[in-house]
Amino acid sequence: GEDVEQSLFLSVREGDSSVINCTYTDSSSTYLYWYKQEPGAGLQLLTYIFSNMDMKQDQRLTVLLNKKDKHLSLRIADTQTGDSAIYFCAESRNTDKLIFGTGTRLQVFP
Amino acid sequence: DTGVSQDPRHKITKRGQNVTFRCDPISEHNRLYWYRQTLGQGPEFLTYFQNEAQLEKSRLLSDRFSAERPKGSFSTLEIQRTEQGDSAMYLCASSDRVGLETQYFGPGTRLLVL
Repeated sequence: GEDVEQSLFLSVREGDSSVINCTYTDSSSTYLYWYKQEPGAGLQLLTYIFSNMDMKQDQRLTVLLNKKDKHLSLRIADTQTGDSAIYFCAESRNTDKLIFGTGTRLQVFP
Repeated sequence: DTGVSQDPRHKITKRGQNVTFRCDPISEHNRLYWYRQTLGQGPEFLTYFQNEAQLEKSRLLSDRFSAERPKGSFSTLEIQRTEQGDSAMYLCASSDRVGLETQYFGPGTRLLVL
């Protein structure tokens, strides 16, 4: 994940919004993804955004993409304890492999 | 369709032994990917197949690693002469080349080399 960076931890109160940030380096990335990983489990696809979009909303999730700054964010509205997990952003390059960030551990407290 | 499955889920082995993991992709997905995830890190790409053809291998995939997808369906990843540094979660993903090429991940195989 050396080309995709994320902050390591985020702690929020239940009911508040969470914002997880990601920066990437490859401007040729076609799709950008957010995956969720719970302890000991594989990765669950949450949402994605095409590189020519600025924003995408999907229920409680909002993805913002600033292509100029190569900055991607995931906002989770009304965060619940079940949202506690590690969140990975990933970019998809021309060869179709995914390049992942190091992950942001989200902790939701009551 | 039950999603991507991997077997075994956990493997403990002694250094120097060979291990083999299996991945069954979502049926009719023609692309299959292998990633490795070490503790505290994001997954790192190892290799991928389109049907039975292995199209790309990462430099992380040393000579001790070999992957196959003989009939374009399930895939195996073998590690020969395991080392302690091979301890990691090995993740498999599959995708459909039609439309949005989203990769769906299996639960992973956690390898511990003693």
